[in-house]
Amino acid sequence: NAGVTQTPKFRVLKTGQSMTLLCAQDMNHEYMYWYRQDPGMGLRLIHYSVGEGTTAKGEVPDGYNVSRLKKQNFLLGLESAAPSQTSVYFCASSYIGVSTDTQYFGPGTRLTVL
Amino acid sequence: KQEVTQIPAALSVPEGENLVLNCSFTDSAIYNLQWFRQDPGKGLTSLLLIQSSQREQTSGRLNASLDKSSGRSTLYIAASQPGDSATYLCAVILGWGAQKLVFGQGTRLTINP
Repeated sequence: NAGVTQTPKFRVLKTGQSMTLLCAQDMNHEYMYWYRQDPGMGLRLIHYSVGEGTTAKGEVPDGYNVSRLKKQNFLLGLESAAPSQTSVYFCASSYIGVSTDTQYFGPGTRLTVL
Repeated sequence: KQEVTQIPAALSVPEGENLVLNCSFTDSAIYNLQWFRQDPGKGLTSLLLIQSSQREQTSGRLNASLDKSSGRSTLYIAASQPGDSATYLCAVILGWGAQKLVFGQGTRLTINP
C-alpha cells in the first residue's frame, strides 16, 4: 500500500515551458486535491476533484489546469510556467470528504521556474 | 475570508520540556480543526482532528484544544523529545463534502537534546 505518490519529486523549468505533475493514490479515495506551499505560508488549495471526471477550482487556480480521467490519478498541468509558480506542490486524497475524514498527503514535488 | 495564524513561527526548547503551540482563526464558522506534522522534504501527517462539537482531543503526549468562540486552538506537547522536531501546521476545515482546508503558516519546532 503506497498511499499517495507524486511524480516527479523535483523539476526545473524555464519560463514558458509546460509540464504535468502526476498524483496517484491506491486507497480508493473519491476526493483528491492539489496544494502549493510557499515559504512562510501555509498550504493553499489550487484545484480539487470530488470524483472521476470532475474537477473544481480552489483558492489559487490561475495558471493551472487539472484532469481526473481515472479515479486513482489526479494530474496538475502548467501550460506556460512562470517564476511565480516556483513552489512545492502537494497532492492529497480523502475517502468521501466528510468533515471527520483526514486527507492523506503525498511527499511533494519541488518545482523551480527560471 | 478565513485567515489562520500560528504563533510563534519558530520555537526551540530543551528536551523534556512541555510546550504549547498556538493557532488562531478569524471566523468561528468552522466545521473542524486539524493539526498536522511536516518533516523536512516530506508530506503532511495528521496528528489530531477536533470536531467543532468537541473541545479537545488527545493522542499519546499530544493534546489539542479548540475554543471556537474565541477563534483559538492550542497543541500541547508533553515531555518533548528530539524526534518531535518538525513543523506543525494547523488547518481549519470549512464545510462538508470536498474539504476546504485553510492552513496556518506553521510553527517550526526544534527540540534540543
